[in-house]
Amino acid sequence: SQQGEEDPQALSIQEGENATMNCSYKTSINNLQWYRQNSGRGLVHLILIRSNEREKHSGRLRVTLDTSKKSSSLLITASRAADTASYFCATDANSGGSNYKLTFGKGTLLTVNP
Amino acid sequence: DARVTQTPRHKVTEMGQEVTMRCQPILGHNTVFWYRQTMMQGLELLAYFRNRAPLDDSGMPKDRFSAEMPDATLATLKIQPSEPRDSAVYFCASGLGLTLNEQFFGPGTRLTVL
Repeated sequence: SQQGEEDPQALSIQEGENATMNCSYKTSINNLQWYRQNSGRGLVHLILIRSNEREKHSGRLRVTLDTSKKSSSLLITASRAADTASYFCATDANSGGSNYKLTFGKGTLLTVNP
Repeated sequence: DARVTQTPRHKVTEMGQEVTMRCQPILGHNTVFWYRQTMMQGLELLAYFRNRAPLDDSGMPKDRFSAEMPDATLATLKIQPSEPRDSAVYFCASGLGLTLNEQFFGPGTRLTVL
């Protein structure tokens, strides 16, 4: 099963509004990452937050992490039509020994209407 | 502008045929990942390499899939024989370091097996 699950599955907002996406996960993590995927393209890394961090900012992006609730949120402020994309959270999980792998959720499809 | 490249970008083949997908990771990156993306399953990790050695291929159907890194500049994913259920977008990603930091994704190979 997926380690990370995004919520909502789809979100439609107007340009200028804020968009909030949530991610819940099951097991302990070292870090959590958010990625963006435009239609027909590969994923692009947005931000990484480590398990000992609670909040991180990058431009119009704000990510929070609550390890006690095993959840994270991605906030995009002052959204633009160009922010229309799918957003994925990814968590690392031990795959044996010292090896870790990223597990992605199924994503939130964000549509920003002009 | 360093980026991961994948070939071919699109492949249509008939059931039973061999399919080979190629990936050139970013020069200097020591980890390479193969993912498969479908609407139903989302993004699944098939295999990953560190310093060209396979670390985890538990997500890959072993009877028909194989992944190799003949050298540091080339990773391959082969399917033999291909089946319609293999139709998906296959992504290669590369990264740097022992821990799971940012991954850089290629544009993907869209495979259709008829």
